[in-house]
Amino acid sequence: DGGITQSPKYLFRKEGQNVTLSCEQNLNHDAMYWYRQDPGQGLRLIYYSQIVNDFQKGDIAEGYSVSREKKESFPLTVTSAQKNPTAFYLCASSSFGTSGSYEQYFGPGTRLTVT
Amino acid sequence: DQQVKQNSPSLSVQEGRISILNCDYTNSMFDYFLWYKKYPAEGPTFLISISSIKDKNEDGRFTVFLNKSAKHLSLHIVPSQPGDSAVYFCAASVRGGSNYKLTFGKGTLLTVNP
Repeated sequence: DGGITQSPKYLFRKEGQNVTLSCEQNLNHDAMYWYRQDPGQGLRLIYYSQIVNDFQKGDIAEGYSVSREKKESFPLTVTSAQKNPTAFYLCASSSFGTSGSYEQYFGPGTRLTVT
Repeated sequence: DQQVKQNSPSLSVQEGRISILNCDYTNSMFDYFLWYKKYPAEGPTFLISISSIKDKNEDGRFTVFLNKSAKHLSLHIVPSQPGDSAVYFCAASVRGGSNYKLTFGKGTLLTVNP
């Protein structure tokens, strides 16, 4: 089955600890994205990557870091510098619109709780 | 500055009736629009899209209308079913742009009552 997997589904961390969220896709998509969702805030873009070994900051990148060493994988690290890390994190991927479409396909999400 | 706005946080309709979800945008460069449906604690799923060269796109019970002059789009669901109850996000993009980013609205919670 083709799709996007995120693990774990729920993650708990103590304040001051870095934590890495996993995202893997087998859709052969070039582009991958990380969003966070907070109540009443919609989806806000953290980082995105269009190609291996390259990534760009989104609208709320402070306190986060990413890597793109493989086409299939785009892990997100939530560092201790992120002031409000508790949120629902969503990973997505897309092709480059060669078919004329620009849909992003989302994983099931990871709920991170930092106390 | 919010470029994509969904001004109704929630909408309640009766089963079998029409649901109309609205979305406004401010960036005139946007030329591709999408609707996503999201259940709690799950990732959004793509529903339907429309490019700016069209004013209507239909897929089964879902129809999206685009009014470029008003910078407004709407999603119609007919007939509404209880399983349609979810949060609906409007998103917009600039095709041919360098980053394929989507800008999302804050979502509208649709409740379809049996």
